[in-house]
Amino acid sequence: SQTIHQWPATLVQPVGSPLSLECTVEGTSNPNLYWYRQAAGRGLQLLFYSVGIGQISSEVPQNLSASRPQDRQFILSSKKLLLSDSGFYLCAWLAGGYTEAFFGQGTRLTVV
Amino acid sequence: GENVEQHPSTLSVQEGDSAVIKCTYSDSASNYFPWYKQELGKRPQLIIDIRSNVGEKKDQRIAVTLNKTAKHFSLHITETQPEDSAVYFCAAPGGSQGNLIFGKGTKLSVKP
Repeated sequence: SQTIHQWPATLVQPVGSPLSLECTVEGTSNPNLYWYRQAAGRGLQLLFYSVGIGQISSEVPQNLSASRPQDRQFILSSKKLLLSDSGFYLCAWLAGGYTEAFFGQGTRLTVV
Repeated sequence: GENVEQHPSTLSVQEGDSAVIKCTYSDSASNYFPWYKQELGKRPQLIIDIRSNVGEKKDQRIAVTLNKTAKHFSLHITETQPEDSAVYFCAAPGGSQGNLIFGKGTKLSVKP
């Protein structure tokens, strides 16, 4: 069966520090992978999606970047965090086409 | 691109009452409409979905209705229970890559 792993679960980082969140998928190949951000009490904002290795599409220009070095690995990064980057980050996987999205456990990032 | 509007943003009901959450979408070509439930601090999980070839789908106490002409779909929860308290998100396909565009969410509170 397919599973999605995301880590770390929580992270407290100072302003100006770098960020790296990792997401991996098991049990499938060539998945569509997504990064969403959820500010406190608000909706899911699509940040990046990837349909294959090295293919990244950005939905919202900002302080973050994403990379897909391997078929089942999706990484969210920042060179210098801002206070406004705080939030709950969710990685998600869709098998392709219009089907159920499976989410990772999420990373609660607090920038201080 | 697709635009998904969700109402209300908060909903409070007494245990045993029904709850209805509505979403509208803009792309008439959209053909898949899922609903996700997110409990506090956890990942969103699919609870029910509907494709455009049907008008209604039920699963025990939850149901989803779709009106393609009016471009809206609704989640119905009957006989609500305290454990139904959560944030509910609707979604619709966002483009050719199979993205899901989420509504802003509805925080449902079921009071015992």
